Amino acid sequence: AQSVTQLGSHVSVSEGALVLLRCNYSSSVPPYLFWYVQYPNQGLQLLLKYTTGATLVKGINGFEAEFKKSETSFHLTKPSAHMSDAAEYFCAVSVDQGGKLIFGQGTELSVKP
Amino acid sequence: DGGITQSPKYLFRKEGQNVTLSCEQNLNHDAMYWYRQDPGQGLRLIYYSQIVNDFQKGDIAEGYSVSREKKESFPLTVTSAQKNPTAFYLCASSIDRGDEQFFGPGTRLTVL
Repeated sequence: AQSVTQLGSHVSVSEGALVLLRCNYSSSVPPYLFWYVQYPNQGLQLLLKYTTGATLVKGINGFEAEFKKSETSFHLTKPSAHMSDAAEYFCAVSVDQGGKLIFGQGTELSVKP
Repeated sequence: DGGITQSPKYLFRKEGQNVTLSCEQNLNHDAMYWYRQDPGQGLRLIYYSQIVNDFQKGDIAEGYSVSREKKESFPLTVTSAQKNPTAFYLCASSIDRGDEQFFGPGTRLTVL
């Protein structure tokens, strides 16, 4: 069965510091991978996605993620955190023909001034 | 602007009452989904539909029902059989299976 694990339910960084949110997945076939962001009491917004091709994917708001098949990882990074990055982030994987997404538990990012 | 609308944003109901959450999309997407979100549990799939007049149960379908009579609409009914209905409900759609999903703003249901 496919699964997604986000390491750390809460991550805190200082403004201007590197953001690293970890995501590992389990899948027996090549997955599609997604990162979404959710602000309080709002829906989810797609940050970036990996389907095929280049393993380093750039998304909105300066975020990027690298698909590492050997490590079954898809970690999200941003070189310099901004206060507006404070939100909850979800990693998701889609592997079957039904298009269902399997979500991780989420990581809440706090940014300190 | 194209997008997904959910109404109402906040909903309060008495225990034992059925309630229907609205989801409408004008993106011309074939697939639509309903998720439930609880603190610390991520998103869990309730129902999904790939085409009109067809839908499948997700991981937590018990106590919920849906219909898909029109391509743009996918209402969710929370029935009295759902033992713990208080949650944040999210509707999503995608062009096709496996594509990225676009989410609505959500409905927060509180059962008193």
